[in-house]
Amino acid sequence: DGGITQSPKYLFRKEGQNVTLSCEQNLNHDAMYWYRQDPGQGLRLIYYSQIVNDFQKGDIAEGYSVSREKKESFPLTVTSAQKNPTAFYLCASRVGAGGQQDTQYFGPGTRLTVL
Amino acid sequence: GDSVTQMEGPVTLSEEAFLTINCTYTATGYPSLFWYVQYPGEGLQLLLKATKADDKGSNKGFEATYRKETTSFHLEKGSVQVSDSAVYFCALSDSGGTSYGKLTFGQGTILTVHP
Repeated sequence: DGGITQSPKYLFRKEGQNVTLSCEQNLNHDAMYWYRQDPGQGLRLIYYSQIVNDFQKGDIAEGYSVSREKKESFPLTVTSAQKNPTAFYLCASRVGAGGQQDTQYFGPGTRLTVL
Repeated sequence: GDSVTQMEGPVTLSEEAFLTINCTYTATGYPSLFWYVQYPGEGLQLLLKATKADDKGSNKGFEATYRKETTSFHLEKGSVQVSDSAVYFCALSDSGGTSYGKLTFGQGTILTVHP
């Protein structure tokens, strides 16, 4: 089955530690995205990547880092510089740019709790 | 910049009632419009979409029409079921200028349907 997987589903970390969230897709999509969701709010874009070895900051990139070494993988690192890291993190992917192919498909999410 | 405004929730209905969730948007260019649904503890699922003015998206009994003149994309369903209880997000994608397909989300509307 084609889809997007995120692991782990729940993640607990101590304050001051870096943590990496995994996102893998087997849809052969070029573009991938990371969003953050806080209670009662919509999703906010952290980083996005349109192609392998290229990525750009979204609206709330401070305290986060990403890499895109393979087409199918787009891991997100939450660093100790992120002031409020506790949130639900969602990864998404899309076929390519524009037109009828502009639907983003989402993974199941990772809930990060910093103690 | 782009923005999406959804009616405030939560919305509580009895089974078989009529549902409307209002969504209006502000955008430059010609965005695509989406409704996503999120069940507890899960990622977002695409419910329906429309890519140009006067298009009607439909899926699982839900409908929404892209109204450029009123900049709206209201979600409707004629007869809701308990299984429709979830959070609903309206979103737009500007496939024009930047072309990286950033999704701008509303804040989400919680729907609870009672038997």
